[in-house]
Amino acid sequence: ETGVTQTPRHLVMGMTNKKSLKCEQHLGHNAMYWYKQSAKKPLELMFVYSLEERVENNSVPSRFSPECPNSSHLFLHLHTLQPEDSALYLCASSQGAGPSYEQYFGPGTRLTVT
Amino acid sequence: AQKVTQAQTEISVVEKEDVTLDCVYETRDTTYYLFWYKQPPSGELVFLIRRNSFDEQNEISGRYSWNFQKSTSSFNFTITASQVVDSAVYFCALSVGSNYQLIWGAGTKLIIKP
Repeated sequence: ETGVTQTPRHLVMGMTNKKSLKCEQHLGHNAMYWYKQSAKKPLELMFVYSLEERVENNSVPSRFSPECPNSSHLFLHLHTLQPEDSALYLCASSQGAGPSYEQYFGPGTRLTVT
Repeated sequence: AQKVTQAQTEISVVEKEDVTLDCVYETRDTTYYLFWYKQPPSGELVFLIRRNSFDEQNEISGRYSWNFQKSTSSFNFTITASQVVDSAVYFCALSVGSNYQLIWGAGTKLIIKP
């Protein structure tokens, strides 16, 4: 595997389910990100981890819970979601966490909440 | 406040035509970074270029070129001799200061017709 991978690629879940999104980066980077991409809205940064420590949490509802067990893996735990949470969830990584670093993205998980 | 404007929502051209995607940014910071990303239908955002505010040199990479002009706060992207594989949504983004957050434009959907 190369670059940034995400699983699953597609997920349909009910509002009472609990599921997790997984992201893995194979680039040796130190920072990882979760984004939400909804139709007709700009990309929304959700969480940033630098060296496994959460450094940014953009007022995300508590039904989204991130976890970063090491610098290569990032999870997004989902529970009691709402239909408006349906979106493409993108994971990204960068060499460092800061304005000068370009981010490398995974293919995303297309989430549908029914 | 920082802002990125991509006024062109959608552009459609015939293959082999040249096409320019506009990006206008706003910031009062003197140090900032500008990025272009490509998002093909598969969903994965692909990093294309990063430019810092102190480097106004234009850049060419194959059929791609970028024109950075601080005087007009623009960072435009030109594809020469477009190909069908260039069809995608293209995003311009800005980062400033010590902020982790990229400020994203709304994106321009580029359609290249055979």
